[in-house]
Formats: sequence, C-alpha cells, structure tokens
Amino acid sequence: QKEVEQNSGPLSVPEGAIASLNCTYSDRGSQSFFWYRQYSGKSPELIMSIYSNGDKEDGRFTAQLNKASQYVSLLIRDSQPSDSATYLCAVKVTGGGNKLTFGTGTQLKVEL
Amino acid sequence: DTEVTQTPKHLVMGMTNKKSLKCEQHMGHRAMYWYKQKAKKPPELMFVYSYEKLSINESVPSRFSPECPNSSLLNLHLHALQPEDSALYLCASRGPRDPSNEQFFGPGTRLTVL
Repeated sequence: QKEVEQNSGPLSVPEGAIASLNCTYSDRGSQSFFWYRQYSGKSPELIMSIYSNGDKEDGRFTAQLNKASQYVSLLIRDSQPSDSATYLCAVKVTGGGNKLTFGTGTQLKVEL
Repeated sequence: DTEVTQTPKHLVMGMTNKKSLKCEQHMGHRAMYWYKQKAKKPPELMFVYSYEKLSINESVPSRFSPECPNSSLLNLHLHALQPEDSALYLCASRGPRDPSNEQFFGPGTRLTVL
C-alpha cells in the first residue's frame, strides 16, 4: 500500500470553476501536510502547508485536513489557466527524520 | 525571502567526467536536502544534512557524494555517472523546527549523462 496516494488525473476543470484535489495517507501519526505546485520542467513550489484539522485558506487556495479519515485536500477557487500544473501532496510521517513522503501528483488542466 | 539557488541550471556530462552541483540558501535554515526527480515522478530523496552533518543517506550509489561546507551551502559531487542518472536534481532547505517543517525547493539542475 502506497503511503501517500493521489489520483494522477488529468483533472480537467473549466476556467472560473473550483478545482478539488485529494490526497490520502496511510500513517495515522503523520504530522504535517504540504501541497506543492509543479509546472512542467520546473521545480516544486510550496503553496500550502497544514497540520491542524480543519481548513486553512490563503487567497484562492484552501487546504483541508481530516486526520480521522486520513485525507488532505486542496481547493482552488476561480481556477485560471495558469493553475494548470501537477500538484504534489507531501506528508511528514512519524519518525521519518524530517523526510517528506510525496504522492505521485495530480495533473490539473484548467480549460478556457 | 524563501529563495534557494542552484547552479548550474543545465549540465551535460560524459560517464567519465567529474562535476559538482551547488546549492545555496540564505534563510538561516539548518537542514538541506538533495532530491532526484525523473519525468512524471515525484521527487526522490537522496541525502539530508542537518546542522551541517549528514543525517540521512537513502542508499544512494557512491558515485554521488554530498558535501555541506557550511550552513548555507550544499554540494553534490558527481563521478562516473550512468545515463540512467539523467534527471532533475533538486536542492531544498527546511525551516525551523515547528509543526510545519516547510521545505523550499531550488530551481533544480537538469543533468544529462551521455
């Protein structure tokens, strides 16, 4: 069983819609959760981190964490074509020595 | 300023060459990382330095040799690489110990081994 799972997509949404990206993880002791955006050929860019249950909002982005159900999600409101990228979910697992475990990423396509 | 810099941006080397990748951060972070990323795959951890000491080596072949000269600099020395080592090499640094432990990536070095 993979430690961090994401749907590889592509997830296609129309411009202006809400994009919902999901991630599940297997380690119940996981502490911190991160969403990175990666454009093709570029490096990952941190867009959100969350470590408490509930929602965390930053501009058009909202991260949601539910530790009981072991999932973390990222909502992108008013999606723009510039949001088209691969979104990587990363989890800091217990006893991992400050290592991050990455999901395989979800490709998001925002269509005009 | 959440900036990590890496040089060179691109590197082409033969299997007998010796080259080095460099990474620098001026955020006062005390943990730095090397990752390798192949196309359409997530970053794969190679090494972690914490307070300038190697804390994690993910069973990386000895043809990759990391070095941390000081708290701001991280090098990756390359020798006798194989074509399958061609990838994007990413450096990252991690903020102070807190629940977040955010890692920030540099722009990467695109390595091609001929």
